[in-house]
Amino acid sequence: AQTVTQSQPEMSVQEAETVTLSCTYDTSENNYYLFWYKQPPSRQMILVIRQEAYKQQNATENRFSVNFQKAAKSFSLKISDSQLGDTAMYFCAFMGGGSEKLVFGKGTKLTVNP
Amino acid sequence: DTGVSQDPRHKITKRGQNVTFRCDPISEHNRLYWYRQTLGQGPEFLTYFQNEAQLEKSRLLSDRFSAERPKGSFSTLEIQRTEQGDSAMYLCASSEGVRGTDTQYFGPGTRLTVL
Repeated sequence: AQTVTQSQPEMSVQEAETVTLSCTYDTSENNYYLFWYKQPPSRQMILVIRQEAYKQQNATENRFSVNFQKAAKSFSLKISDSQLGDTAMYFCAFMGGGSEKLVFGKGTKLTVNP
Repeated sequence: DTGVSQDPRHKITKRGQNVTFRCDPISEHNRLYWYRQTLGQGPEFLTYFQNEAQLEKSRLLSDRFSAERPKGSFSTLEIQRTEQGDSAMYLCASSEGVRGTDTQYFGPGTRLTVL
């Protein structure tokens, strides 16, 4: 069974600075997908960024980028120029093995301070 | 496109009662997913549908849980004989279904409290 581990329960960063959230996963699959979702306080979960395992190039979406290390089974999220609106729970998720279900980590609570 | 909607947003019930939640996916989305999220945890998969067909169910989905999507549009999740351990946020998500790996869009959730 696939597992996703987020080792940082909480993090904080000053506005305009850069922060990196860690995620590792365990799978025997070769073809899979990785996601970062954001869940703001009392609001619904939204997709931040996704990465296909067969792509070597790291995904980027504006201020958000990932560092995908397939051999190390690591998938970290870098947020540049942090904004107050980035304050949220961030969940790393895995999809693969022929299943369409998302397997989530426990999340990292990020606080952006003014 | 109004997004995924869920009803009710909050439900308080007494142990042993039955509850039913509704999810309306984004229009034209073929796939619909249910997840459960307890405090301090990430969401856990429960089940998913492609149109009317329920294609995968988690072992978490005990025989007290049943989900339907009768016309391939909205879905309902029923919990019979609720237990305190059922208290959680129940999330619904939908995806276009062109590919199984399409992005899943989540609704706001239904928070269930079992007293």
